[in-house]
Amino acid sequence: AQKVTQAQTEISVVEKEDVTLDCVYETRDTTYYLFWYKQPPSGELVFLIRRNSFDEQNEISGRYSWNFQKSTSSFNFTITASQVVDSAVYFCALSEGETSGSRLTFGEGTQLTVNP
Amino acid sequence: KAGVTQTPRYLIKTRGQQVTLSCSPISGHRSVSWYQQTPGQGLQFLFEYFSETQRNKGNFPGRFSGRQFSNSRSEMNVSTLELGDSALYLCASSLAQGAFEQYFGPGTRLTVT
Repeated sequence: AQKVTQAQTEISVVEKEDVTLDCVYETRDTTYYLFWYKQPPSGELVFLIRRNSFDEQNEISGRYSWNFQKSTSSFNFTITASQVVDSAVYFCALSEGETSGSRLTFGEGTQLTVNP
Repeated sequence: KAGVTQTPRYLIKTRGQQVTLSCSPISGHRSVSWYQQTPGQGLQFLFEYFSETQRNKGNFPGRFSGRQFSNSRSEMNVSTLELGDSALYLCASSLAQGAFEQYFGPGTRLTVT
């Protein structure tokens, strides 16, 4: 069965610091998809990235970057030069593609607090 | 383009009652999924609908049900409410069934007393 682990329950940083959120996943499928979502205090989950299991290239989007390593089953998320507006709960999620349709298995989430 | 909308946003019900929540997906999206979020269990998948058919179901009792209409709008129903059903219920839409990008609505906060 699939599982996503986000070992960091809470992280607190000072503005402009870089911060990395860890995500480790378990799956028996060779085809799967990994996601990151942001949940600000308003409650709505905001889509950040989707990556399939065949694409191990790292991705950068502005201050956000993602490091996907199949060898360690990890899909870590780094925010560079953090800002107060980055404060939110961040979720890593897994979909096993064909076998599970649109079903997402979420990690427990990491509460990130960026202090001014 | 309008995002996913959910109604109502807040709901207070009494144990034993039933409740219906509504979700309107992004225009053009045909798949709708529902999730329950609680502090203790986190985000858990309830079910997915595509082309008016339930395609996937999570590990929830039969009191939780849903349906999808021809315009892709979806409703979920919870009968015989229990205190443990208090949660944030999130709806997500995507273009089609499969591991596509899913966009979430603001959720319905259900409180059972």
